[in-house]
Amino acid sequence: KQEVTQIPAALSVPEGENLVLNCSFTDSAIYNLQWFRQDPGKGLTSLLLIQSSQREQTSGRLNASLDKSSGRSTLYIAASQPGDSATYLCAVSYVIKAAGNKLTFGGGTRVLVKP
Amino acid sequence: DVKVTQSSRYLVKRTGEKVFLECVQDMDHENMFWYRQDPGLGLRLIYFSYDVKMKEKGDIPEGYSVSREKKERFSLILESASTNQTSMYLCASSSFPRGNSTDTQYFGPGTRLTVL
Repeated sequence: KQEVTQIPAALSVPEGENLVLNCSFTDSAIYNLQWFRQDPGKGLTSLLLIQSSQREQTSGRLNASLDKSSGRSTLYIAASQPGDSATYLCAVSYVIKAAGNKLTFGGGTRVLVKP
Repeated sequence: DVKVTQSSRYLVKRTGEKVFLECVQDMDHENMFWYRQDPGLGLRLIYFSYDVKMKEKGDIPEGYSVSREKKERFSLILESASTNQTSMYLCASSSFPRGNSTDTQYFGPGTRLTVL
């Protein structure tokens, strides 16, 4: 059974510092890996998706790497801002039927960026 | 923009009541999902559907059922609500994974259900 772990569970940094969020998973037979952001009381917003054949994806200040063989992904957020304060969730996807996929989520890392 | 809407943001029900949570997506997605999110336990999949009238159990289906009569709508039903079903419920939709498609899941805003 796939298990996804995110460490640390919470992180507090001063504005301007780079953020490093870690995700590990136990089964490397994944279809892709995604990073989501969740604001308090809200739904999830997809930030980055890395296909299993890729090693990284970038979007603006965000960069996510994937090492399938070791079961790890890292999300880097450069020059953090107070608006980056949120919970970040990692999820791995695998195909369960010919036309369907399934996500298994980590517990999330709650980030606070102090002005 | 993909839009996934859920019928209520907050809901308070009594133990034993039948509860319906509705989810609608406007992107003609084949797949739809229901999750619950609890502190310390993360998001857990309750049920999903990959086609009209098709449903599959997720990791924690006990105490729940679902209905998908139309492609855009996926309903979660609590036949007899219990206090341990107090949670945040999130609906999501996605298209079939094809080739290099992103097949990301798009989430609704969530329904916070309290069962007294």
